[in-house]
Amino acid sequence: NAGVMQNPRHLVRRRGQEARLRCSPMKGHSHVYWYRQLPEEGLKFMVYLQKENIIDESGMPKERFSAEFPKEGPSILRIQQVVRGDSAAYFCASSTQSGISSYNEQFFGPGTRLTVL
Amino acid sequence: DAKTTQPTSMDCAEGRAANLPCNHSTISGNEYVYWYRQIHSQGPQYIIHGLKNNETNEMASLIITEDRKSSTLILPHATLRDTAVYYCIVRSPYNNAGNMLTFGGGTRLMVKP
Repeated sequence: NAGVMQNPRHLVRRRGQEARLRCSPMKGHSHVYWYRQLPEEGLKFMVYLQKENIIDESGMPKERFSAEFPKEGPSILRIQQVVRGDSAAYFCASSTQSGISSYNEQFFGPGTRLTVL
Repeated sequence: DAKTTQPTSMDCAEGRAANLPCNHSTISGNEYVYWYRQIHSQGPQYIIHGLKNNETNEMASLIITEDRKSSTLILPHATLRDTAVYYCIVRSPYNNAGNMLTFGGGTRLMVKP
């Protein structure tokens, strides 16, 4: 059973370009979470999605950032017009259907390291 | 979710037990204690979780005090590969809207030969 897959693992963009980060959850998982980790800092929640729905985007910047999790295919985190401050590691996690269960722990992918020149 | 307090860093000799404490004095009745770790440059890894009883799995043991205001993660025989930042997180799995994990500063565990 493959774990959470993220690609690319490393992404270099120049200021003003767009960055697209992909996340394929574990098989059977329908919940996806995106976190950002700035250099030398802890992980910060960005957005929580289920298939075709954004459940909580309270941690995502209001401008330039968007996320989707379509019915088919991976979840995409999109950053438009990147700036140097967007340089960070972006981690995706997935879990099984949440609800009355303590076993909906989140499994993380290896991350995408975005460098903005 | 309740706030947690952990020491910034700890050292442990290889082969010895590593005991990582966590204070969560404001924990509420339906909140679980979760532990994750992040080895350098990797994604966080789930370790263990518990509500009020002590828990053990192949990775670690979790000891929760009777009043649930603190807990200790125990790595029984630490190896060099256990060097990582360990995060103690308190959250309710029933809170669907707040399903995110809130990572604090964690404890940077250094296992030394």
